[in-house]
Amino acid sequence: GESVGLHLPTLSVQEGDNSIINCAYSNSASDYFIWYKQESGKGPQFIIDIRSNMDKRQGQRVTVLLNKTVKHLSLQIAATQPGDSAVYFCATVAGSQGNLIFGKGTKLSVKP
Amino acid sequence: DSGVTQTPKHLITATGQRVTLRCSPRSGDLSVYWYQQSLDQGLQFLIQYYNGEERAKGNILERFSAQQFPDLHSELNLSSLELGDSALYFCASGAGPRQASPLHFGNGTRLTVT
Repeated sequence: GESVGLHLPTLSVQEGDNSIINCAYSNSASDYFIWYKQESGKGPQFIIDIRSNMDKRQGQRVTVLLNKTVKHLSLQIAATQPGDSAVYFCATVAGSQGNLIFGKGTKLSVKP
Repeated sequence: DSGVTQTPKHLITATGQRVTLRCSPRSGDLSVYWYQQSLDQGLQFLIQYYNGEERAKGNILERFSAQQFPDLHSELNLSSLELGDSALYFCASGAGPRQASPLHFGNGTRLTVT
């Protein structure tokens, strides 16, 4: 079946360093990709999205890269801060009638 | 603050019981989604309503049902509860019918079945 997976369940980085969180998806028909951040006790919060006609999109301190050839998605966080500590989920949708499929999440810990 | 309100925050009940979870979407959003989050399964899509009509179904059990009312708030009904139904239940809302757009999530209802 269709799956979305993250390469590492946990990631620990030093404050000020850049973080890279990776995600793989299985459905080649996926055409929409999105990253959410979930802090403890809260619901997921939208970070950034990208459609399949792009391979890179930048936001404030975040960049999403999409490699459709290998079905891989990554989230880069520049100058990681303690407030970035959270669980990060990637999710994909295939087509106009597709459901949003979430990966299992990577827990990012930022060391001061 | 996402603008999505979920009540109650916590719910503790016994096996075999029935509960109702409530969600008010962000102002102006017509779609409401329900997700279940457990430790080993991540976020699982249950069901989507758009402007009062069921739009999409995911892995929702037959014991579970939902509806969206004319004022666009939604309720998720869970019946014949089992221990394995213990989880966080999230509601999310979106402006349009398609899931390929940013959703706004509430802070969830934590259900504990004992």
